[in-house]
Amino acid sequence: TQLLEQSPQFLSIQEGENLTVYCNSSSVFSSLQWYRQEPGEGPVLLVTVVTGGEVKKLKRLTFQFGDARKDSSLHITAAQPGDTGLYLCAGAKGGNQGGKLIFGQGTELSVKP
Amino acid sequence: DAGITQSPRYKITETGRQVTLMCHQTWSHSYMFWYRQDLGHGLRLIYYSAAADITDKGEVPDGYVVSRSKTENFPLTLESATRSQTSVYFCASSERTGDLAEAFFGQGTRLTVV
Repeated sequence: TQLLEQSPQFLSIQEGENLTVYCNSSSVFSSLQWYRQEPGEGPVLLVTVVTGGEVKKLKRLTFQFGDARKDSSLHITAAQPGDTGLYLCAGAKGGNQGGKLIFGQGTELSVKP
Repeated sequence: DAGITQSPRYKITETGRQVTLMCHQTWSHSYMFWYRQDLGHGLRLIYYSAAADITDKGEVPDGYVVSRSKTENFPLTLESATRSQTSVYFCASSERTGDLAEAFFGQGTRLTVV
């Protein structure tokens, strides 16, 4: 059973379209992170959200942490081919497991020109 | 060079053989992790370590052994490799600051068990 469920798992869109990726769990997390991974490379951190209801923007990317700190979303506006990649959410439980990161199964995004 | 390095990058081994994947980080981060990545499963945690000589199981530890005698090294050993352990393995390190812990990843080791 995956502790963090991402949806959709695959997404193929045209350049200029908007999209949203979801990361859901039945567990509460002290923080949620979003990573992006390109082929042949390790994941790289995009953002960390900590406070319930928090919204962070990174250029055309908007990240939101759910009020109950169980879910998060990533919205991309006017997607570009350079956004193509695997997007992963990761949760930290806090407390004595604060350094342990659990990942979702990822969303493979393909943006066609 | 500063960072986190994994070796080898590619490895082919036979069923039943023992194989060790190496991971070295230069930041003196407290936490180190081993993940495996398979299609449809994202990254699954195998083992992690909060400090030297402290290790704990993750989601899928069976068939794997780790040690951490030095802060900077975290080798992963497959005691008797099986085909189901064919995967891409990622090592990561992080330094916890409160509840924040950005993980820095190596480039991965692609392991094929034949």
